[in-house]
Amino acid sequence: NAGVTQTPKFQVLKTGQSMTLQCAQDMNHEYMSWYRQDPGMGLRLIHYSVGAGITDQGEVPNGYNVSRSTTEDFPLRLLSAAPSQTSVYFCASSYSYNSRSGANVLTFGAGSRLTVL
Amino acid sequence: KNQVEQSPQSLIILEGKNCTLQCNYTVSPFSNLRWYKQDTGRGPVSLTIMTFSENTKSNGRYTATLDADTKQSSLHITASQLSDSASYICVVSANTNAGKSTFGDGTTLTVKP
Repeated sequence: NAGVTQTPKFQVLKTGQSMTLQCAQDMNHEYMSWYRQDPGMGLRLIHYSVGAGITDQGEVPNGYNVSRSTTEDFPLRLLSAAPSQTSVYFCASSYSYNSRSGANVLTFGAGSRLTVL
Repeated sequence: KNQVEQSPQSLIILEGKNCTLQCNYTVSPFSNLRWYKQDTGRGPVSLTIMTFSENTKSNGRYTATLDADTKQSSLHITASQLSDSASYICVVSANTNAGKSTFGDGTTLTVKP
């Protein structure tokens, strides 16, 4: 049981380049989400999905796109990378989701460290 | 605006000592509060989750308390070990904020031999 797998672990981009951070989970979790973590700040929600075919914006969605074509995969796309997107990105999933209280306990991936020059 | 404030920002203790981390929140209406442990270079891992009716929950040497009236939670670590060195994150969910939780900035704990 691999849990939540993120790739790549490290990536360096030049301003304006695009790339996709991959996230896969093998726990049949219905809820998946992407966060960014910056020094001195709490985790901030970028996008989330409550099931295949359903996505929604989080707190800081600008500059990022997501899709959820399968239950297992939830890729995060950077359309035109900017230095402000230098951060550590975490994918997380949860086995259940409540429309009022949100996701249950989250299982996080190991993170992807992105540097934009 | 929903907020979660954690204190202290950082803490250094000697191995074997106890410590208590604080979490104050303004999230309303309250649904649940979770504590996560994040080792350096790793993703957060869940320690405890508490709902409105729960005052205390333990996970080994970790004990979380919740006072929903004062909107405060604490995480008590007993007989600390070097492996407890990590960031501890408090996360609070509201009962109307679908899909979104409010994360605290975390407390960085360093346990020294």
